Amino acid sequence: DAGITQSPRHKVTETGTPVTLRCHQTENHRYMYWYRQDPGHGLRLIHYSYGVKDTDKGEVSDGYSVSRSKTEDFLLTLESATSSQTSVYFCAISVRTGNTEAFFGQGTRLTVV
Amino acid sequence: DQQVKQNSPSLSVQEGRISILNCDYTNSMFDYFLWYKKYPAEGPTFLISISSIKDKNEDGRFTVFLNKSAKHLSLHIVPSQPGDSAVYFCALSGGSNYKLTFGKGTLLTVNP
Repeated sequence: DAGITQSPRHKVTETGTPVTLRCHQTENHRYMYWYRQDPGHGLRLIHYSYGVKDTDKGEVSDGYSVSRSKTEDFLLTLESATSSQTSVYFCAISVRTGNTEAFFGQGTRLTVV
Repeated sequence: DQQVKQNSPSLSVQEGRISILNCDYTNSMFDYFLWYKKYPAEGPTFLISISSIKDKNEDGRFTVFLNKSAKHLSLHIVPSQPGDSAVYFCALSGGSNYKLTFGKGTLLTVNP
């Protein structure tokens, strides 16, 4: 267990509303990531962070923003939710043990109606 | 343009036999190669990895092979067990920031 907690675990929201997902880690790791998983697409990187206030875009960043004001929390915001953002969202941290493996949270299932 | 391809969406094997999962990639910049296992309603869990300087890595029943010239990665599970039934993703890393690029996954079903 890498000490990653995602909240909420499930959410249903209406089109056009803003939504914020939270990822919290207890291990003080520098690198954090947000992925989404969709059928037929595997996991795709949305945004990532390499330190407090240091973030960058991933492969599918349109319609999403992130913030990291402290090491332990990485927030993903859907500024105006659309049905195409219905997905399962995973947060991950990278543990620099020399193997570059990432450890994932349990996911947030978001449904936009 | 898909950089990482898992061309078999599903694979079914008998308990006790070998499972072979494959992954192809296009970009030579990747220098670390990983396999993740995912059960429904859970996050992916790290299984095994290999760096670009090696061609084989073993961990118990799991062996990963890397053929850099062919840009091909495979995961062998021997012997396969029903509990191995899950979706398996290959994930590749290269450059800074340790970002992972995933394949689409292969659903492995191990039949008792």
